[in-house]
Amino acid sequence: QVQLQESGPGLVKPSETLSLTCTVSGGSTDYYYWSWIRQPPGKGLEYIGYVFYSGTTNYNPSLKSRVLMSVDPSKRHFSLRLTSVTAADTAVYYCARLVPENYFESSGSGTYWDFDLWGRGTLVTVSS
Amino acid sequence: SSELTQDPAVSVALGQTVRITCQGDSLRKYYASWYQLKPGQAPLLVMSAKNERPSGIPDRFSGSRSGNTASLTISGAQAEDGADYYCSSGDSSGNYRVFGTGTKVTVL
Repeated sequence: QVQLQESGPGLVKPSETLSLTCTVSGGSTDYYYWSWIRQPPGKGLEYIGYVFYSGTTNYNPSLKSRVLMSVDPSKRHFSLRLTSVTAADTAVYYCARLVPENYFESSGSGTYWDFDLWGRGTLVTVSS
Repeated sequence: SSELTQDPAVSVALGQTVRITCQGDSLRKYYASWYQLKPGQAPLLVMSAKNERPSGIPDRFSGSRSGNTASLTISGAQAEDGADYYCSSGDSSGNYRVFGTGTKVTVL
């Protein structure tokens, strides 16, 4: 049974870099998209981005200038770095597996996307 | 701000039916998946974008789509269904994932 577990510092100072790792246990990082999502206290979910096992990335345009994601297949983990953090970056950070499935209909074609497996999340507070 | 809008909160009597809606222009082109969030637990996919229930999800959960609205229906709500529910789909370009504003479901 594949499980995801986030890890990293729970407290980061303003202007510094937030670094988190998600460990994939019971499986491999191969052939999947691995994503990060966050939830500020009292607010909704926000998509941060994904990294494909090959290294291709997709970042939320609102965070793109500060985000870097990578995957390390040998260690079965993937990582998030968010630079120049402020108090607005305080949130529970979740890692999740993102699974696409192509479809073909009479009206056209497209892709279904599902976050089918999540970690429990880790709270990161930005404060001096 | 989210491109997908949900009612902030709904309540349902035990054993009754509740429908949670998700509205947005992108839903005319892209399909939505649904997630259940409970404190201290890993979020759970309860309805895929293909409108299928993942293994282990009770058949009282069902999904539908019409125009710019996606819906998640819980038929015969149980106490354990009380949670926050979020829809997710593509943004207007289809290039990025977005989440709805979330709905808190209370089972009375």
